[in-house]
Amino acid sequence: GESVGLHLPTLSVQEGDNSIINCAYSNSASDYFIWYKQESGKGPQFIIDIRSNMDKRQGQRVTVLLNKTVKHLSLQIAATQPGDSAVYFCAEILVDSSYKLIFGSGTRLLVRP
Amino acid sequence: DAGVTQSPTHLIKTRGQHVTLRCSPISGHKSVSWYQQVLGQGPQFIFQYYEKEERGRGNFPDRFSARQFPNYSSELNVNALLLGDSALYLCASSLDLATIYFGEGSWLTVV
Repeated sequence: GESVGLHLPTLSVQEGDNSIINCAYSNSASDYFIWYKQESGKGPQFIIDIRSNMDKRQGQRVTVLLNKTVKHLSLQIAATQPGDSAVYFCAEILVDSSYKLIFGSGTRLLVRP
Repeated sequence: DAGVTQSPTHLIKTRGQHVTLRCSPISGHKSVSWYQQVLGQGPQFIFQYYEKEERGRGNFPDRFSARQFPNYSSELNVNALLLGDSALYLCASSLDLATIYFGEGSWLTVV
């Protein structure tokens, strides 16, 4: 995923609705994927991860889906709350000699009260 | 338990100067990585260290260097600062190399 620079895609949802944030990753050999939430002025916060041998993983109010055929990840947030407003990044890890994260372009989630 | 801690949180440097950023990983974590995040973009990998050895290096010039100490803390050094080095520098630590947690970052402004 290449960065889109200063203009981030934005998803606007009503409080209480479900949110779906999508991400395309770049390397079909990637072993591991992580979703991060980044609030303004803060570092990325770990949300949920999934290994390449899985296609779905659920956490508290969040679900990650992995489609390796089309190299696509999604993050579903149930009953979206105002505190969910942030920029969301997906990241992939290709395990070679290092475990470096390759970040996709972020999506800004805005929750309308 | 303390998370990943970084210092300083904000700093301003002049072009040509050098800077040292510091990071303490989560207790028990042996791997530390450094990332650069410019405004509006995702973080870009700079270095990873595990057990005091460099395990990976991103596409950054030799002006960037890092090291990891016996207590697993780490320093990122940048020499001959350029305006384009202005960014949020993030440190991340991990226990099993895969579950990676970030600190709040050090905001560097080069003027």
